[in-house]
Amino acid sequence: EPEVTQTPSHQVTQMGQEVILRCVPISNHLYFYWYRQILGQKVEFLVSFYNNEISEKSEIFDDQFSVERPDGSNFTLKIRSTKLEDSAMYFCASSVGGGPGEQYFGPGTRLTVT
Amino acid sequence: GENVEQHPSTLSVQEGDSAVIKCTYSDSASNYFPWYKQELGKRPQLIIDIRSNVGEKKDQRIAVTLNKTAKHFSLHITETQPEDSAVYFCAATPIKAAGNKLTFGGGTRVLVKP
Repeated sequence: EPEVTQTPSHQVTQMGQEVILRCVPISNHLYFYWYRQILGQKVEFLVSFYNNEISEKSEIFDDQFSVERPDGSNFTLKIRSTKLEDSAMYFCASSVGGGPGEQYFGPGTRLTVT
Repeated sequence: GENVEQHPSTLSVQEGDSAVIKCTYSDSASNYFPWYKQELGKRPQLIIDIRSNVGEKKDQRIAVTLNKTAKHFSLHITETQPEDSAVYFCAATPIKAAGNKLTFGGGTRVLVKP
């Protein structure tokens, strides 16, 4: 069964550094998402992406964040200048359509900012 | 925006007993309600979902009920087994043209004791 993959599984970075989290969505999916989960808290929506454009973004997704689909398979989340509070598990997800239906989640990247 | 509350935060049951997890949502426009199961160290996986035109849905030992008037929905697991031990998340989303973000509850850690 196809799965969403994410790399790396764990990323440690120093405050102020840029990080890029990578995701490979399921190949026939058209909608892509990033969520994050700070330890012990809810899974929070960051951004949705379709047709090379952001469909929706949350208040968390400020100017420090950007997303890109650099080629036909990868979907990336960039954090320009990491802060301590960016430490979280970041999940990528994808879905076939944009309407209500299953979003398939990747295994997550644990980002630790020191 | 949407707010989803989930209770209880932890639930311990004896193998063979039933488990019930309850969620409430705030946005009356929400009309798709998925439940995800996350085993330790693994990705969230959809186990069942319900749309607002349906009051109840069942899949083997799991069922979900929805009360639109009261804005709450519940997950029922019958004849629990040790492999049901995991964190369960409810979520809600409104139907939109594209990029339906999921708003998650805080999660319920279920422990099934053999």
